[in-house]
Amino acid sequence: DAGITQSPRHKVTETGTPVTLRCHQTENHRYMYWYRQDPGHGLRLIHYSYGVKDTDKGEVSDGYSVSRSKTEDFLLTLESATSSQTSVYFCAISVDRGNSNEQFFGPGTRLTVL
Amino acid sequence: QQPVQSPQAVILREGEDAVINCSSSKALYSVHWYRQKHGEAPVFLMILLKGGEQKGHEKISASFNEKKQQSSLYLTASQLSYSGTYFCGTEPPAGNTPLVFGKGTRLSVIA
Repeated sequence: DAGITQSPRHKVTETGTPVTLRCHQTENHRYMYWYRQDPGHGLRLIHYSYGVKDTDKGEVSDGYSVSRSKTEDFLLTLESATSSQTSVYFCAISVDRGNSNEQFFGPGTRLTVL
Repeated sequence: QQPVQSPQAVILREGEDAVINCSSSKALYSVHWYRQKHGEAPVFLMILLKGGEQKGHEKISASFNEKKQQSSLYLTASQLSYSGTYFCGTEPPAGNTPLVFGKGTRLSVIA
């Protein structure tokens, strides 16, 4: 499982409240990613990080921010949650194999915004 | 930019074979295949690098035609445990670029 944990695993919140999801890895991999998964859309990239304090936007970044102050932790924040952000969120890490990078996913966080 | 997977869904009886296709409109460096069971995270199956190599994993293999920007996943003699949604993730030649995933192919294997 590449040593990836996510917390919380489930969360129910109300519209307008801030929410922070945490992704933790134990193997010091440089690249980390946040995806959301919705029926009919597959996995869509929200933000990713290529090092401490180095982040970039993905295709669905509006309404989300991220931070990475330590190699092992990558935080995803919804500043003011909306019902459209109800989704399953997956964190992933990329393992450098030399001529390729293999990506592994955390267990996911199911977020419901009422 | 999102790769297109086909078919969207397929139902098989145990022992039957299936092919899942992944097609991109962009040049590719690699194609990654994942399987996801209901309520679980996607699980890495294999990666195909440009060069047209074919790889195998149990009775699941895949090929990559970089000229056609296509990859195919072959499931032979399917088992009940093969049920799930299969995703391809594509990587452009730029390097260190995040994968872009297709919408998935739902595979159901019945007894």
